[in-house]
Amino acid sequence: QVQLQQWGAGLLKPSETLSLSCAVYGGSFNGYFWSWIRQPPGKGLEWIGEINHDGRTNYNASLKSRVTISRDTSKNQVSLRLNSVIAADTAMYYCARGYCTSSSCKGGFGYWGQGSLVTVSS
Amino acid sequence: QSALTQPASVSGSPGQSITISCTGTSSDVGGYNHVAWYQQHPGKAPKLMIYDVTNRPSGVSNRFSGSKSGNTASLTISGLQADDEADYHCSSYTSISTPLYVFGSGTTVTVL
Repeated sequence: QVQLQQWGAGLLKPSETLSLSCAVYGGSFNGYFWSWIRQPPGKGLEWIGEINHDGRTNYNASLKSRVTISRDTSKNQVSLRLNSVIAADTAMYYCARGYCTSSSCKGGFGYWGQGSLVTVSS
Repeated sequence: QSALTQPASVSGSPGQSITISCTGTSSDVGGYNHVAWYQQHPGKAPKLMIYDVTNRPSGVSNRFSGSKSGNTASLTISGLQADDEADYHCSSYTSISTPLYVFGSGTTVTVL
């Protein structure tokens, strides 16, 4: 059973750097794309980006200049960094993995971390 | 503003059926069979209910079903139960550009 456990700083000031990590337990780390998704309070979900075991990344164009997703395959961990945060970055942040069939992992996110609330306030 | 359009709220009585729509474009919902639906209870992470338009992950009740016509996907909940009261989000894969995945703004389901 795949489990994702997240941690990281919850209260930031504007211009600081958001840093979150996500450890994967109970399943294979390699061979999958690992995504970060966020949800501002009372709003919908927004895909931030993804990384695969080869380190190949894809980012949401709206955040690309500020975001870095990395991985440590020796620890089965994925990390998110978001630079120069502003109040609009206040959100619950989730790490997630696609639900994979024999043909694709693009059909939906089947595994989610517990979420990390990040608040940006001066 | 979310990329996919969902109604803000839908309600129904116990035992009834309700349907939630999710409208996108030919670049996402209409172009790929990679539409998903998630259930989210307050303070919890989303839970995958439907993947690839019509498929249920193991353990999800068959009261939940998905479909798609053109650029609009739909989630139907039959035999509505009190525990179905939650927010529901749709998502779609899109390769036209990043983001690779787009979501709807979410629909609050109320069981009357």
